[in-house]
Order: sequence, then C-alpha cells, then structure tokens
Amino acid sequence: AAGVIQSPRHLIKEKRETATLKCYPISRHDTVYWYQQGPGQDPQFLISFYEKMQSDKGSIPDRFSAQQFSDYHSELNMSSLELGDSALYFCASSSSLAGTYEQYFGPGTRLTVT
Amino acid sequence: AQKVTQAQTEISVVEKEDVTLDCVYETRDTTYYLFWYKQPPSGELVFLIRRNSFDEQNEISGRYSWNFQKSTSSFNFTITASQVVDSAVYFCALSEANTDKLIFGTGTRLQVFP
Repeated sequence: AAGVIQSPRHLIKEKRETATLKCYPISRHDTVYWYQQGPGQDPQFLISFYEKMQSDKGSIPDRFSAQQFSDYHSELNMSSLELGDSALYFCASSSSLAGTYEQYFGPGTRLTVT
Repeated sequence: AQKVTQAQTEISVVEKEDVTLDCVYETRDTTYYLFWYKQPPSGELVFLIRRNSFDEQNEISGRYSWNFQKSTSSFNFTITASQVVDSAVYFCALSEANTDKLIFGTGTRLQVFP
C-alpha cells in the first residue's frame, strides 16, 4: 500500500516569501499531523486534523496555517518565512478506526530559507 | 509534564554486537502510548513499535526487542546482532490519551561499523 506522500520533497525560498507544503495521507487514514524537525533536533509537533477539523495544536507559529480537505489531504501554509524556518517538515497520518494511534510518517519536505 | 529522555546521544558498535537504546519517560496520565521510530540517513521516520500503558509484555520482532517497565518508566530497545543497515538515529516518543501529538526524545545516533 502507498505510504504518506509529501510534496514537494525539497523547497528553497527566500526570507519573507510564502511556501505551501502538501500531504496526502495513507488511504483510509482520517487524521493528519504536521511536525517540524530542525537540524540535529527531534521532531516538534505543529498541528493535527481529524475529519477536516483541527484536533490538536502545538508550537505552530502564527505565520503558519494548515487545513485538511474533503479528500483528507492537508496543506501547511507558511508566510513571511524566516531563516529559522529552515527544517524538515513531516506529515504523518493515522486511522482513528484502527484505534492504534500509530502515526506513519511521510518522507518529509526539506525547506531551506535563504 | 510530558517528557522523554534518551540519555545516550551516540552509540558506536561493531557489527554483530548487541546494543540497547535507553528511553525514560515522564507523564501524569495513566493511559499513554510509547513508540520507537528509526530515522536512517535518508531522513524518513520509520515506525517500529507502539506500546500502550496497560501492556507491559515485552516484544520481540526478529533482531529487535523492547522492554517496557512501568516501575522505572522505561521503554528500552535492544538490537541483537547489529548490522551496518541499523545505523540510524532512533527516537523514542510518547503520546497521552487525550492528545494527538507525539513527544519525541532527543534521539540516539547508532553507528554500526563493519
């Protein structure tokens, strides 16, 4: 079965630009999560969605917003980019029906802000 | 407060050695979930195992085994007969019942030399 798909895989932006990251969850997964991993750091939870509604929120800057669409894919929108936003952004998905709380991660989008 | 501690920053072993990665967690909840993820040099996060707080049975999967002890709040991971392909950063993570987010430890970088 196909895993979580993220696009683009690499993105280079300049300071103050905007970026949009996309995530396509595993088939039949209804919950999507976003994490940010800075260089040499552990992943930090940003936000999650269940059935198109925000379900939990972590340390997501106000400059970032996200949503989940009717086909369950999700987009993370990042504005006024700063050098410190350079990181690996992971999307993960899980199935509430499975009840296992196992989050499966995509390959990540590496964002570089110059 | 939730916290995951992986005290071992880096471990180096020679192929075929056994190695144990330590994980200690803190939580006030009685219901929680513990995870191990592998992050190889390619960067993706690979799910290895999930344990819930009510299941203290140890688990073995091939060369991998996990020892969950609530009395010491530990969830250690052992690789038997390590191989070069095991070289990666390994993250232990915790999630509580009423939240989506995974709280990651800082990771242990395992290097297996031939």
